Amino acid sequence: QKEVEQDPGPLSVPEGAIVSLNCTYSNSAFQYFMWYRQYSRKGPELLMYTYSSGNKEDGRFTAQVDKSSKYISLFIRDSQPSDSATYLCAMEVTGGGNKLTFGTGTQLKVEL
Amino acid sequence: GAVVSQHPSWVICKSGTSVKIECRSLDFQATTMFWYRQFPKQSLMLMATSNEGSKATYEQGVEKDKFLINHASLTLSTLTVTSAHPEDSSFYICSASGGEETQYFGPGTRLLVL
Repeated sequence: QKEVEQDPGPLSVPEGAIVSLNCTYSNSAFQYFMWYRQYSRKGPELLMYTYSSGNKEDGRFTAQVDKSSKYISLFIRDSQPSDSATYLCAMEVTGGGNKLTFGTGTQLKVEL
Repeated sequence: GAVVSQHPSWVICKSGTSVKIECRSLDFQATTMFWYRQFPKQSLMLMATSNEGSKATYEQGVEKDKFLINHASLTLSTLTVTSAHPEDSSFYICSASGGEETQYFGPGTRLLVL
């Protein structure tokens, strides 16, 4: 079993839809949770960063962490074609030397 | 803020030659830099972790004599692919951390070995 599981998709939604992206994990030591967006042939871009359980909102993006269920989510409201990309979840343990464990990424396509 | 650059963005080389890729943190001091490799439609594979002024720590299965990493300053790390072969063709991405619990990624370098 992988430490971090993420549905690879592809996920196709119409413009304006609410998108839900999810990751599950097995290591209860993970304390820091991130979502990165990666466009084709580009490096990942940090979207959201949360510590421990709870919600965090930034514009159209909301990140949720449920440590009891070992489950994290990224919601995108009013999705746009420019949101079409691969979304990677990443996690880190405290004192882990900033070493991240990534999910495989979910490919999202927002259609006009 | 938190901008990381990579140079070159793409490179084509002949088999047997060496290629150097630079990674720079432009607006912060990177105590730790990471080098990843990514194959098409796959996630990032960590190759090595480097701290300024010390030897890099390589992940299992990564040949340290093949992939030379130097982290000479708090803003610059280099990855040299020595005696490159076609199977080394990939997308190489660096990231940098300034001590916070996250990493900022460079735009990546696409390497094609003929």
